Amino acid sequence: EAQVTQNPRYLITVTGKKLTVTCSQNMNHEYMSWYRQDPGLGLRQIYYSMNVEVTDKGDVPEGYKVSRKEKRNFPLILESPSPNQTSLYFCASSPGTEVGNTIYFGEGSWLTVV
Amino acid sequence: AQRVTQPEKLLSVFKGAPVELKCNYSYSGSPELFWYVQYSRQRLQLLLRHISRESIKGFTADLNKGETSFHLKKPFAQEEDSAMYYCALSEGPSGGSYIPTFGRGTSLIVHP
Repeated sequence: EAQVTQNPRYLITVTGKKLTVTCSQNMNHEYMSWYRQDPGLGLRQIYYSMNVEVTDKGDVPEGYKVSRKEKRNFPLILESPSPNQTSLYFCASSPGTEVGNTIYFGEGSWLTVV
Repeated sequence: AQRVTQPEKLLSVFKGAPVELKCNYSYSGSPELFWYVQYSRQRLQLLLRHISRESIKGFTADLNKGETSFHLKKPFAQEEDSAMYYCALSEGPSGGSYIPTFGRGTSLIVHP
């Protein structure tokens, strides 16, 4: 089954404790992206990647890092989480080879930083 | 730069009433537009895309280049339509970037 899988789905952590949210897709997609979703602000892009070893900042990259060492994986790293990073995070992927490709989303990761 | 505006954060209707979720875009080229839906904090999923000209779950959307709009419509809302709806835009063939831009979303609540 074609899917985007993120882990963990739910996490409560403390300020300053590094964490990684993993994202994996099994569709051989070139394009992957991370979004955060907050009430009243909708979906905001954090980072995206066009292909292996190619990453770019989205609209709200501060406080986050990503890597794309393999095509299928695109982890989101919070080196020193802060309470304002409490949010619902979505990973997404797309074939990326043509304009207008459908975006496939993961189920979301609820992150609370206390 | 491309931009997508969904002017309504919340739209509340009664079951059986018509629904129109507004989406306006700003892009000088030929855009490709989509509507994504998110039920009860589930993952976002594609609802429809303008190039397919299809109707999904009774929803339709017409691209109006003159008004730069892609409003989502349904003649008779159902309770199960209650969800978050996101309009999204990708640059068309004259562009070159397939990175989508999403609006801020509209929460639709359908009351029984």
